[in-house]
Amino acid sequence: ETGVTQTPRHLVMGMTNKKSLKCEQHLGHNAMYWYKQSAKKPLELMFVYSLEERVENNSVPSRFSPECPNSSHLFLHLHTLQPEDSALYLCASSQDLGPPFLYNEQFFGPGTRLTVL
Amino acid sequence: GENVEQHPSTLSVQEGDSAVIKCTYSDSASNYFPWYKQELGKRPQLIIDIRSNVGEKKDQRIAVTLNKTAKHFSLHITETQPEDSAVYFCAASSPGGNMLTFGGGTRLMVKP
Repeated sequence: ETGVTQTPRHLVMGMTNKKSLKCEQHLGHNAMYWYKQSAKKPLELMFVYSLEERVENNSVPSRFSPECPNSSHLFLHLHTLQPEDSALYLCASSQDLGPPFLYNEQFFGPGTRLTVL
Repeated sequence: GENVEQHPSTLSVQEGDSAVIKCTYSDSASNYFPWYKQELGKRPQLIIDIRSNVGEKKDQRIAVTLNKTAKHFSLHITETQPEDSAVYFCAASSPGGNMLTFGGGTRLMVKP
């Protein structure tokens, strides 16, 4: 598959479960992102990785733990979530973060629809 | 940090009419402003962007204008078509990076 893929597409979990979301990009990009999309805050940046190093953690609770083992894969490990964490989690990638004034289009995956019971 | 406000939250137009969506941002150092379109059940996709050294950019039926002094930018869609119906997000990028702060989105409905 081309572009940015995410698995699973749907996930239902209890508050005591541990699960992981997976993102893979087939575009040769160096930067990857996690976003949360909900009715309250439509597109909220969570984490940014550049060349497998985390460069941004946007005040995200520790029950969300990202992992970037290589520039093609990004994971979001979930544990002891709350019902308010139910949302669509979108992964995106871009060629790189670039120096100042060099911006790259972000390509989004289809998202994982997460429901926390 | 950056704060991006987007208006209106919903917009309904007749097919063939124009649609305008407006955004304001708070960080005067922001210098890249993309617009994303998200159709129902699909992923956001970039439709147009503008950088701070440009005041206006056009691509067929869509155009974006930027007023750096007032810290606002707008998306203009002319001759709207039903397939333009979607949620549109504006965003502003932190200087020196590609980290976007998004506006709250505008649900555009084009009635045939």
